Amino acid sequence: DSGVTQTPKHLITATGQRVTLRCSPRSGDLSVYWYQQSLDQGLQFLIQYYNGEERAKGNILERFSAQQFPDLHSELNLSSLELGDSALYFCASSLTPFSGNTIYFGEGSWLTVV
Amino acid sequence: GESVGLHLPTLSVQEGDNSIINCAYSNSASDYFIWYKQESGKGPQFIIDIRSNMDKRQGQRVTVLLNKTVKHLSLQIAATQPGDSAVYFCAEILPPYFGNEKLTFGTGTRLTIIP
Repeated sequence: DSGVTQTPKHLITATGQRVTLRCSPRSGDLSVYWYQQSLDQGLQFLIQYYNGEERAKGNILERFSAQQFPDLHSELNLSSLELGDSALYFCASSLTPFSGNTIYFGEGSWLTVV
Repeated sequence: GESVGLHLPTLSVQEGDNSIINCAYSNSASDYFIWYKQESGKGPQFIIDIRSNMDKRQGQRVTVLLNKTVKHLSLQIAATQPGDSAVYFCAEILPPYFGNEKLTFGTGTRLTIIP
């Protein structure tokens, strides 16, 4: 158990809909990262927050947004969903300054768009 | 595009043998690399990291080698066990670190240990 909690674990929704994925970081971690992993693909960095503020942005679509709340949990909002958005979405957290061995990934949220 | 890539998408190794997973990168400014292991249905798990001021780093049954001349790194797993079956990713972080802590992952190599 990495200590990073993601909900829901599985989600099936229709095209055009909007979903929210939730992440609770490890206790004490201030940074939260979101990654997307499509079938047989690597992990694509979406966005990173540190202590409530956006810190780095990757290939995140405009239909997607995220935020980190004062209690440090984070939400990833996916709207106007398309079939191609079906993927495994990972949240990770770390205590900054960042070091590879202090970043921990959650178990992921499986999103299926039908 | 990605600057980190893997040579082989799949690798099968006999149990007890050593395995070597390779990774190439293209950005000479890259100076921090991490290997992750992802088991089926789980999130990536840190294995070992290496900075560019090192050529080699060893962990428990794992060794990472970094060749900056040819922009290549490898992960060696000694005496492989069934539990080593997973997808292995190399990832890099470009400086500056603070304020840009995004890992760039390669596409992964699926390692299968044959009993």
